[in-house]
Amino acid sequence: KAGVTQTPRYLIKTRGQQVTLSCSPISGHRSVSWYQQTPGQGLQFLFEYFSETQRNKGNFPGRFSGRQFSNSRSEMNVSTLELGDSALYLCASSLSWGSTEAFFGQGTRLTVV
Amino acid sequence: AQTVTQSQPEMSVQEAETVTLSCTYDTSENNYYLFWYKQPPSRQMILVIRQEAYKQQNATENRFSVNFQKAAKSFSLKISDSQLGDTAMYFCAFTLNYGGSQGNLIFGKGTKLSVKP
Repeated sequence: KAGVTQTPRYLIKTRGQQVTLSCSPISGHRSVSWYQQTPGQGLQFLFEYFSETQRNKGNFPGRFSGRQFSNSRSEMNVSTLELGDSALYLCASSLSWGSTEAFFGQGTRLTVV
Repeated sequence: AQTVTQSQPEMSVQEAETVTLSCTYDTSENNYYLFWYKQPPSRQMILVIRQEAYKQQNATENRFSVNFQKAAKSFSLKISDSQLGDTAMYFCAFTLNYGGSQGNLIFGKGTKLSVKP
């Protein structure tokens, strides 16, 4: 079956713009988590969604937001982009709330110029 | 707060040999999971192995095994018979088991492993 699909794979945006990233989980998976990966900070948890509700949130400013749709697809939005938002954004899907195995997508490489 | 530390930024090993990657973590909790993830150049994070803290037996997946020392808060990964395809970044990760959510994965900084022919 298809894995976790993240679109787009690459994105270049200008400071001050906003961006929306998409994640389609594995069919049947209902939990989606987002992570930011940078050379300096490493992998950091952004938020997790299950049944269209945000269940956990990492320590990121309010410019980072997300949502989950009834088909479990998730989007994350970053408003008023800063140079420091340049990163690889990874999405992971799990079967359900409480699953201990997460499957990651290949990520979206965001570059802010 | 929980932390995960990987003290080896880079390692290399000859093909067919064995290599051990180190990981230590800090938590005051008793019920948690530990993981090793592999991230090849394709960037996709792949789960290598998982250990439940309440299980004393070390997890094993084919050529991959862990040495879990709960008292020492140590969780090392041993790769036997290294293959060229094992070349990747390896991340140690931790999550608490409250309600079982894996949403709060906490990652180490990673170890870049190069397998040389």
